[in-house]
Amino acid sequence: EPEVTQTPSHQVTQMGQEVILRCVPISNHLYFYWYRQILGQKVEFLVSFYNNEISEKSEIFDDQFSVERPDGSNFTLKIRSTKLEDSAMYFCASSRGGWETQYFGPGTRLLVL
Amino acid sequence: GQQLNQSPQSMFIQEGEDVSMNCTSSSIFNTWLWYKQDPGEGPVLLIALYKAGELTSNGRLTAQFGITRKDSFLNISASIPSDVGIYFCAGLIIQGAQKLVFGQGTRLTINP
Repeated sequence: EPEVTQTPSHQVTQMGQEVILRCVPISNHLYFYWYRQILGQKVEFLVSFYNNEISEKSEIFDDQFSVERPDGSNFTLKIRSTKLEDSAMYFCASSRGGWETQYFGPGTRLLVL
Repeated sequence: GQQLNQSPQSMFIQEGEDVSMNCTSSSIFNTWLWYKQDPGEGPVLLIALYKAGELTSNGRLTAQFGITRKDSFLNISASIPSDVGIYFCAGLIIQGAQKLVFGQGTRLTINP
């Protein structure tokens, strides 16, 4: 069964450094998303992406964040200058249609020191 | 903004017992989804509900989408140890763009 994959599984970085989180969505899906989950809290929407552009972003997704689909398979989330409060699990998700079920990857645990 | 209120926050039950949890919202959602999350893992889809009033089963799991599109419940019958985890409801909004709004989660603990 096809699944969303994410790399790395864990990332530790120093405050102020740039990080890139990578995702490979399910191959025939057209909509891509990033969510984050701070330890012990609920999952929060960051951004949705379709047809090579952002369709919606949350208040969390400020100028420090960017997303890109550099090729036909990868979908990346970049945090330009990490802050302590960026420490969280980051989940990538994809769906075939905008109204269809979103399938989540296993997540990347980001720790900013 | 849209919010989902999920209850209970946690449940401690004996193996074999039935479980019931629910989500309510003041907003209307187009689709309701129930996910399970194990520690350190991503949410795994359990059941998707697309129509108001829809009642759907997946093995020992049963979920219903409320008639008003503002609530949903999930029942687990005859719980087993592998049911332990955190259960999240999520509502899908497709006006403008597509995003999931998650509830706070229900942490299920099972005593053998």
